[in-house]
Amino acid sequence: QVQLQESGPGLVKPSQTLSLTCTVSGGSISSGGHYWSWIRQNPGKGLEWIGYIYYGGNTYYNPSLKSRVAISIDRSKNQFSLKLTSVTAADTAVYYCARTISTVVTEPDYWGQGTQVTVSS
Amino acid sequence: QSALTQPASMSGSPGQSITISCTGTSNDVGNYNLVSWYQQHPGKAPKLVIYEVTKRPSGVSNRFSGSKSGYTASLTISGLQPEDEADYYCCSYAGDSTSEVFGGGTKLTVL
Repeated sequence: QVQLQESGPGLVKPSQTLSLTCTVSGGSISSGGHYWSWIRQNPGKGLEWIGYIYYGGNTYYNPSLKSRVAISIDRSKNQFSLKLTSVTAADTAVYYCARTISTVVTEPDYWGQGTQVTVSS
Repeated sequence: QSALTQPASMSGSPGQSITISCTGTSNDVGNYNLVSWYQQHPGKAPKLVIYEVTKRPSGVSNRFSGSKSGYTASLTISGLQPEDEADYYCCSYAGDSTSEVFGGGTKLTVL
């Protein structure tokens, strides 16, 4: 069974770059058949899709975040990463990485446990 | 403001059935049979309970079912149990430029 685990700093200063990594186990990112996603949840609020990447490098981003987001993939480490630039307090959230059901059904099925990121000086 | 509209809260008694709605537009729910539903308990990651409008992942109780009519998708939970108390989110594909949109979530209380 696929497992995902987020890692990265829990505290980021305003205007800096948020960087998170998701390590995948129990399956290979390079096997294809799925997109690899980032989703966040602001405190006490709903879910917001950030974007996803295919193992070949194709990316798709939420239009509202597109100018600040980059998702990349490291097949050798079976990891994918998120960078969000120029962060503000509004970017404080629990960040989840997830796998999509398939490349046709692009909603997530397996999720990581989530990691809290706080933007504060 | 979320792209998909859900009731903020609903409640039901054990044994009852409840239906949570998720209303979108012609750009998402109305145009694709790619609606999924997630159950989230406090402090936990969301869990997929329905995908492609009506399909249930392996291991999910058959008390959970999904449907869609026009721009509105629905999640029905029959025979409510205390452990069903959670937040529920819908998600829809919304085309290549937007990709995925979520609802604002519904807090279900089992009285």
